[in-house]
Amino acid sequence: VQLQESGPGLVKPSETLSLTCSVSNGSISSYYWNWIRQSPGKGLEWIGYVSDTGRTNYNPSLQSRASISVDTSKNQFSLKLSSVTAADTAVYYCASLRVAIGVGWFDPWGQGTLVTVSS
Amino acid sequence: QMTQSPSSLSASVGDRVTITCQASQDISNVLNWYQQKPGKAPKLLIYGASNLKTGVPSRFGGGGSGTDFTFTITSLQPEDSATYFCQQYDSLPYSFGQGTRLEIK
Repeated sequence: VQLQESGPGLVKPSETLSLTCSVSNGSISSYYWNWIRQSPGKGLEWIGYVSDTGRTNYNPSLQSRASISVDTSKNQFSLKLSSVTAADTAVYYCASLRVAIGVGWFDPWGQGTLVTVSS
Repeated sequence: QMTQSPSSLSASVGDRVTITCQASQDISNVLNWYQQKPGKAPKLLIYGASNLKTGVPSRFGGGGSGTDFTFTITSLQPEDSATYFCQQYDSLPYSFGQGTRLEIK
């Protein structure tokens, strides 16, 4: 399975950040599909996940600004983050959550895409 | 909360290197380790505290359970220069340690 992020690299403050992750060489059915971001100030931060059936879970730190959806017909899932500020500037990764023997891990990851919030 | 230490270290080729990760509560063995090189995404090395991902060199290892975990490289190689992160799967939100930057002398 390979993952590839796409979307604008520059977003204005107060607007909505939108990213898509395309899944190739495998089906989006099964597993949980995640967004994770990395900024110098906050390290790696899990944003949330969506299942192939559309079940979601989010990091409360984002205060309900995040929304993750899945499109199984396109083998894609997407992130929307509303009301962005400079603090949302980060490299955004999509990743698959695999679960076995009672533990889950992120593998594989997309290459990441830098999103800068600036006017 | 995951507390990782040290935040950085420098070691020589052939050295044994150990990184620790401490959880704020008992997380059994649901702890993973990742390697990240500059400009690249993190890569899974160890899952379930001590299970080596297929294809990862055997010089990498992990141990521990409960609140205290270790990540070890038994014979450091030049290509091991990277930042290493721990990550817990015990409870939502999933969280990562702050990272340990490993430099080769």
